This record gives sequence, structure tokens and C-alpha cells, in this order.
Amino acid sequence: DAGVIQSPRHEVTEMGQEVTLRCKPISGHDYLFWYRQTMMRGLELLIYFNNNVPIDDSGMPEDRFSAKMPNASFSTLKIQPSEPRDSAVYFCASSLGHSANTGELFFGEGSRLTVL
Amino acid sequence: AQSVTQPDIHITVSEGASLELRCNYSYGATPYLFWYVQSPGQGLQLLLKYFSGDTLVQGIKGFEAEFKRSQSSFNLRKPSVHWSDAAEYFCAVGRDDSWGKLQFGAGTQVVVTP
Repeated sequence: DAGVIQSPRHEVTEMGQEVTLRCKPISGHDYLFWYRQTMMRGLELLIYFNNNVPIDDSGMPEDRFSAKMPNASFSTLKIQPSEPRDSAVYFCASSLGHSANTGELFFGEGSRLTVL
Repeated sequence: AQSVTQPDIHITVSEGASLELRCNYSYGATPYLFWYVQSPGQGLQLLLKYFSGDTLVQGIKGFEAEFKRSQSSFNLRKPSVHWSDAAEYFCAVGRDDSWGKLQFGAGTQVVVTP
């Protein structure tokens, strides 16, 4: 079974450009999460969805960031315009359910973003 | 708000030796506790989790962790490390009322020497 698939794996762009990161969760999972990992701040939750609906976006740093989940098998994280401080590894994760019987987040391999 | 502290940023251990990684959390109620491992260039993989019940939990790859409420700790252990255990390890805490909003520790980098 395929895991969480993210694209692109690496992205180098210039300040001011639009960046779109993509994620395909594991089939059947009803929760999807976007995390950001930096040396300074570690792993931070940006936003998460349940059944394609955004539940908590309090971690989104500012209006330049937006995330969508148009269907159960696809999500995007967009940064417009990008800035050098957005350079990080962005992880998508998915999960099935919300109980003590599950409780596992399955992470993709991440998208490493470098903004020059 | 919950928080997680991993006091050790970096640990070096010899292959075959035992390993213990420390994790302390701050949360008013009984938390959900996790240990994840991240190999270079990879995403995070769950090693084990504690929700309730037996305070000693077994995970994958020969790891175990013990929940100690009195010490607010959830330390990870392995009796004999293998070179493939070299990775970064993250402790995380979650809450039932905000599922998925895990608070991760800063991570502990483990280096395994021959």
C-alpha cells in the first residue's frame, strides 16, 4: 500500500514567487495534517483537515499561507508570495480516525523548500 | 498548553550498548504520548504510543518506553542498539480534544559508533 505521497521533494525558488506543495494521503484516512520543520522552531503543525474540512489553521503563520483539500485524496499548501524565512521541510501526514485504537500519524517524506 | 522537553540534543552510543532517551512533558490531564523516529531525508515513523493502561509500552524495532506520571516522563529505551538506529528521535504529546495537534519535542540526534 502506498504511503503519503508528497511533491515536489525539493523546490528552490526566488523570493516573491508562488509555491505550491502537494500531498496525497493514504487512501481511507480521514485526517490530513501539514507540518513544517525548521532548525529553529522544530516541528510545527500548520493546519489539519478532517473529512476535507479545515479544523484548525491556527498554526498557519500568516495570510501568505493557504491550504486546501478539494477531495479526500489531495491537498495543497500554497505560499504566495514566498519569503526566505519560509525555507523549511514541509511534511504532510494522514491518519485514520480519532481514538486510542489509532493515534498514528503517517508522514510523507517531506518537501524541502528553499527560498532565495 | 502542553509542552514537551527532550533534554538531550545529541547522544552518541556504541553499537550493542543500551540507549535511553529522555522526554518530559507538561500537561494537566493524562496525555497521549508518542515517540517518532526520523531517518535522514525521511518522514517521521511512529515507534510507539501510550494512551492508557500498562505504563510500559512496547514498540517496533525493539524499542520500549515507560510512562511515569509522578515524573511527567516518557523515556524511550532500547537494550542493544544497532547501527541502523542512528536517526533523530522525537517525543510528542497530544490531547483527545485536539487530535493530531501534536506538540513535538526538539528531538534527540542519536549517533551509533562501531
